[in-house]
Amino acid sequence: DIVLTQSPGTLSLSPGERATLSCRASQSVTSSYLAWYQQKPGQAPRLLIYGASSRATGIPDRFSGSGSGTDFTFTISRLEPEDFAVYYCQQYSSSPVTFGPGTKLEIK
Amino acid sequence: EVQLVESGGGLVQPGGSLRLSCAASGFTFSSYAMHWVRQAPGKGLEYVSVISGNGGSTYYANSVKGRFTISRDNSKNTLYLQMGSLSAEDMAVYYCVRGLVPAGRAFDIWGQGTMVTVSS
Repeated sequence: DIVLTQSPGTLSLSPGERATLSCRASQSVTSSYLAWYQQKPGQAPRLLIYGASSRATGIPDRFSGSGSGTDFTFTISRLEPEDFAVYYCQQYSSSPVTFGPGTKLEIK
Repeated sequence: EVQLVESGGGLVQPGGSLRLSCAASGFTFSSYAMHWVRQAPGKGLEYVSVISGNGGSTYYANSVKGRFTISRDNSKNTLYLQMGSLSAEDMAVYYCVRGLVPAGRAFDIWGQGTMVTVSS
């Protein structure tokens, strides 16, 4: 199984700042089959990014993703109050699909 | 509106069984593989199972293989997860999810989830 490691575990920032989250895979994620999700308390996850860098429908352009192989980055260019949540990466290049443990983005 | 609505969760004793359902609407259900993903309280996301659009192909995570059965009724636009030999490790919110594209495994549509509690 591909193990995904996310860092940092918790990120404390203020609205308006830039957030950079990392996802590292134990093996190469082929075809950049990596996605990012946002989850708020009591809600289902929401797809933000797929294919490492493609924004899902309706996702604002302050959210972006990059990377390939084993190293991927998710960036929020300028934090809005509603962006504080938990973010998960997911690889879907090989079975089983696996998720990272999540990064909690909290208000500083 | 594309929507997935799960039902069937609840309290079950260790060793017991439960069947979850997921009603789909707003898209051509039979064209999409459908998946179950679960999340234990306060924990991360765990992939559980997938079934192809015509129901002919299935896959299970090792943690549930031999105990869970995924199925679908395309005439009713409904996905199922039959769970057996339940233990505390199975206690979680179970989400029904759709892939971004018919055979895709980036998940763009999620249900609200249904909670399964395993306790005596």
